[in-house]
Amino acid sequence: ETGVTQTPRHLVMGMTNKKSLKCEQHLGHNAMYWYKQSAKKPLELMFVYNFKEQTENNSVPSRFSPECPNSSHLFLHLHTLQPEDSALYLCASSQGEERETQYFGPGTRLLVL
Amino acid sequence: GQNIDQPTEMTATEGAIVQINCTYQTSGFNGLFWYQQHAGEAPTFLSYNVLDGLEEKGRFSSFLSRSKGYSYLLLKELQMKDSASYLCAVRDPAGGFKTIFGAGTRLFVKA
Repeated sequence: ETGVTQTPRHLVMGMTNKKSLKCEQHLGHNAMYWYKQSAKKPLELMFVYNFKEQTENNSVPSRFSPECPNSSHLFLHLHTLQPEDSALYLCASSQGEERETQYFGPGTRLLVL
Repeated sequence: GQNIDQPTEMTATEGAIVQINCTYQTSGFNGLFWYQQHAGEAPTFLSYNVLDGLEEKGRFSSFLSRSKGYSYLLLKELQMKDSASYLCAVRDPAGGFKTIFGAGTRLFVKA
């Protein structure tokens, strides 16, 4: 039990579909993150939210749209994705400041057909 | 540019000691993390170094040399369950909350 949950765990979607990934943290943290993990590549930071405010957008294409309604929930809305977007999408949270350890969710394995 | 290098794969024997190296070139430095990630699972925190030297935590130790841009993770008394990927990550203060990850080292522990 990591304290960070993600749903769904697996998702298959077509390029014209719209879907959303959900992340919830039960650790009382203030910062939440979306990462993309592709095979044999480093984790790529996508978005960071601190106290519900977006503090980082790492040049992510607009077909990925994050939403953070409160400090415990984070969504990633997906639309018109490409096959190269297939990857493991990891959510993480931290207390908020620098140095703080990030706690990761189990990830959503996404396949775009 | 920002770069973190670590070996792609390593193999070691149960009961042995293994050292996983990590070198980094980043515009700033505010700490280095090691995470463990089993296949299909989330990365979990192992260690954090911000000052030079060795941090020991049970069977795992992590070393940092900031002047050399170098760290290693030392695993002692290897167990089969230690087979996993080990991710080196650097916190860059210039990037706010940005943590830069290496591609990970896949460790195979054999009997």
